[in-house]
Amino acid sequence: TQLLEQSPQFLSIQEGENLTVYCNSSSVFSSLQWYRQEPGEGPVLLVTVVTGGEVKKLKRLTFQFGDARKDSSLHITAAQTGDTGLYLCAGDDMRFGAGTRLTVKP
Amino acid sequence: NAGVMQNPRHLVRRRGQEARLRCSPMKGHSHVYWYRQLPEEGLKFMVYLQKENIIDESGMPKERFSAEFPKEGPSILRIQQVVRGDSAAYFCASSLSYGTGGFAYEQYFGPGTRLTVT
Repeated sequence: TQLLEQSPQFLSIQEGENLTVYCNSSSVFSSLQWYRQEPGEGPVLLVTVVTGGEVKKLKRLTFQFGDARKDSSLHITAAQTGDTGLYLCAGDDMRFGAGTRLTVKP
Repeated sequence: NAGVMQNPRHLVRRRGQEARLRCSPMKGHSHVYWYRQLPEEGLKFMVYLQKENIIDESGMPKERFSAEFPKEGPSILRIQQVVRGDSAAYFCASSLSYGTGGFAYEQYFGPGTRLTVT
């Protein structure tokens, strides 16, 4: 089993701020997925990264896969209250990190 | 609507009863995964199934828990003789295929079944 560590565990910021959350492992992954989960709902897939060094943008969200394919980051620009949720990363072994719980305050 | 469906959405059982959770994967998906989530925690992998086969059940307790994905019909997660510690949200996900990762592996989740054991 390839362990995924996510940091920070909790993050509380004001609307309009920028933030970065991380997903790290000592193992190499063929791909990584990022999900967002809102209270009472199932996780929703945001992006899949497959190539070392890859950068993908989804509106204000920027995802990066490390060159060695062991880590990934998610950067949110000008956070909005609607970005509040639990951000999870998952590797291709079906295991998830514990998540970063983001709260964006108005 | 071709999304992953789970039912029931909420299930209340008394200690010692059986709980049956159902999952219908997205149309065209033949791979199903079950996860458990406790409040304020992440997703814990339980079991991965293909049609009529259990591929990986390393995350599922050896006793009282079982899962199946028959040729016809939904996948079933069955918990026998439930205890209070089984109270959690159980999520099902499906994917197009499984292999070396990549886009075919992307999992799509259902809304979950919230099990409460009283």
